[in-house]
Amino acid sequence: NAGVTQTPKFQVLKTGQSMTLQCAQDMNHEYMSWYRQDPGMGLRLIHYSVGAGITDQGEVPNGYNVSRSTTEDFPLRLLSAAPSQTSVYFCASSLNYEQYFGPGTRLTVT
Amino acid sequence: EDKVVQSPLSLVVHEGDTVTLNCSYEVTNFRSLLWYKQEKKAPTFLFMLTSSGIEKKSGRLSSILDKKELFSILNITATQTGDSAVYLCAVRRIQGAQKLVFGQGTRLTINP
Repeated sequence: NAGVTQTPKFQVLKTGQSMTLQCAQDMNHEYMSWYRQDPGMGLRLIHYSVGAGITDQGEVPNGYNVSRSTTEDFPLRLLSAAPSQTSVYFCASSLNYEQYFGPGTRLTVT
Repeated sequence: EDKVVQSPLSLVVHEGDTVTLNCSYEVTNFRSLLWYKQEKKAPTFLFMLTSSGIEKKSGRLSSILDKKELFSILNITATQTGDSAVYLCAVRRIQGAQKLVFGQGTRLTINP
């Protein structure tokens, strides 16, 4: 199993551009989530999904959209990038209590 | 509002020392507390604690939860340079149990 994969690993955007961060898992987990990690802030939940077709907002959802059309994929869309969205983004999936994290995407918005 | 606070934020010790990392929380309908280790990339799971007073142990790492005083500690004995990492504490609630609320993390540096 590949576990949780994320692409791209690095991305630089200009303010106002849009893009999609990809996340996929091959463990057939129902629950998937997106976090952002900023220095000194730990991980903060952006959006999560409890199964295909079901998504909900986390702690810091503004400026991001998600969809979950399949169990495997959970893309995160930045609608109009802002410098405040410069961060490291982690996708995670879980079956029970243990969350499996992807390797992260480092995003810089200039 | 749910809150998880870790201390210290940063700690530098020498190889062989014993360290204690702290995590306190204020969470409605607490279910469990989890510890993660984060080296260069993704956090990796260490422990999950649900009951007070029961120590979880894995090699040189151990952790215990106090649900009355609302905190947990993570101990690492005989530290090695490979223990250098950010240690994250997270809590789960009964409702929305899959959602985790993380603390800021403790950056631990072990010098040879």
